[in-house]
Amino acid sequence: QKEVEQNSGPLSVPEGAIASLNCTYSDRGSQSFFWYRQYSGKSPELIMFIYSNGDKEDGRFTAQLNKASQYVSLLIRDSQPSDSATYLCAAFTGGGNKLTFGTGTQLKVEL
Amino acid sequence: DVKVTQSSRYLVKRTGEKVFLECVQDMDHENMFWYRQDPGLGLRLIYFSYDVKMKEKGDIPEGYSVSREKKERFSLILESASTNQTSMYLCASSLTGYTSYEQYFGPGTRLTVT
Repeated sequence: QKEVEQNSGPLSVPEGAIASLNCTYSDRGSQSFFWYRQYSGKSPELIMFIYSNGDKEDGRFTAQLNKASQYVSLLIRDSQPSDSATYLCAAFTGGGNKLTFGTGTQLKVEL
Repeated sequence: DVKVTQSSRYLVKRTGEKVFLECVQDMDHENMFWYRQDPGLGLRLIYFSYDVKMKEKGDIPEGYSVSREKKERFSLILESASTNQTSMYLCASSLTGYTSYEQYFGPGTRLTVT
């Protein structure tokens, strides 16, 4: 059973809109969560992480965590074509020194 | 600035060859990781190391081995390459911590085994 689930997409949004990317996880012991952006043919790049319930904002990006419902989301405001990429969600459970990654959601921002 | 480098961006090898992929980080990170990434399967952990000379198997260690003789360097070895090991290989490193556990990735090596 997949421990971190994401809809593969593609998720298409018009330029300037808010893109909402979602991720659910099965391990209630998961402690912190990470969002990575990956352009085609490139390696994942860390965008932000969150470990407390609620929202965390960084520029146009907002991460949201709800531990009771076991979901994490990433909002991208004022979406730009340069935001078109695959977004990976990852969870850290505190044991084994490793992250568990979802398979990623492809985002397309259209002009 | 965080820096993880990998020895090759593209590599073509023949079936049965021994293949070495090398990763170096300059951030004094304790943990280092090797993943492979395939379409539809996402990132899969092959091996990781949390200290020099220490290693642990990830989710798909079969057909691979690793070596970590120095803190900054982590090598992935394909003992006898096979066509099903054609993939993108990604190295990552991180500190050890409770909340700050972000992994930083190298640029990747696209390996083709013919």
